Amino acid sequence: DGGITQSPKYLFRKEGQNVTLSCEQNLNHDAMYWYRQDPGQGLRLIYYSQIVNDFQKGDIAEGYSVSREKKESFPLTVTSAQKNPTAFYLCASSSPRQTNYGYTFGSGTRLTVV
Amino acid sequence: QQQVKQSPQSLIVQKGGISIINCAYENTAFDYFPWYQQFPGKGPALLIAIRPDVSEKKEGRFTISFNKSAKQFSLHIMDSQPGDSATYFCAASSETSGSRLTFGEGTQLTVNP
Repeated sequence: DGGITQSPKYLFRKEGQNVTLSCEQNLNHDAMYWYRQDPGQGLRLIYYSQIVNDFQKGDIAEGYSVSREKKESFPLTVTSAQKNPTAFYLCASSSPRQTNYGYTFGSGTRLTVV
Repeated sequence: QQQVKQSPQSLIVQKGGISIINCAYENTAFDYFPWYQQFPGKGPALLIAIRPDVSEKKEGRFTISFNKSAKQFSLHIMDSQPGDSATYFCAASSETSGSRLTFGEGTQLTVNP
């Protein structure tokens, strides 16, 4: 089955550590996105990539970094510069070539600072 | 101009009632309007979507109503059930945005038994 896989489902980070969240898709989608969701809040765009080896900052990119070396993969690194990283992180993908270019979301990674 | 404004922020409905969530937009280039449903601890999933060439689209108990002149669209959930309790997001995109969606702020729906 095609879809998006995010791992791990739960992640704990100590103060000052960098952590990397994995996002893999086998939908052959060109575009991939990272969103942050805080409790009871909406979706805030961190980074997005529309083609391999290219990505753009979203609305809250500070303290985060990404790479897009392969079409299937779009890992997100939460750096120590991100002062409040505890949140639910969602990865999504889409293809502008589809007739209805909605997003397919992964099941999310819940990051907690301990 | 890129914003999509969604209301209400939260909604409580009795079982069997009609749930209505509204969204408004400014960007007239938007040409695709999906709704997403998110259960706690899960990623959002596409529920139903509409394009501006039709005024209404129905899938089961879920209906999107679209008013192009008012730049508004809404989700109606008929015969609401406790299993519909979730967060709902409206969104919009345009061909020029390269499939990037602009999301509303979300509505937390609770359907009481």
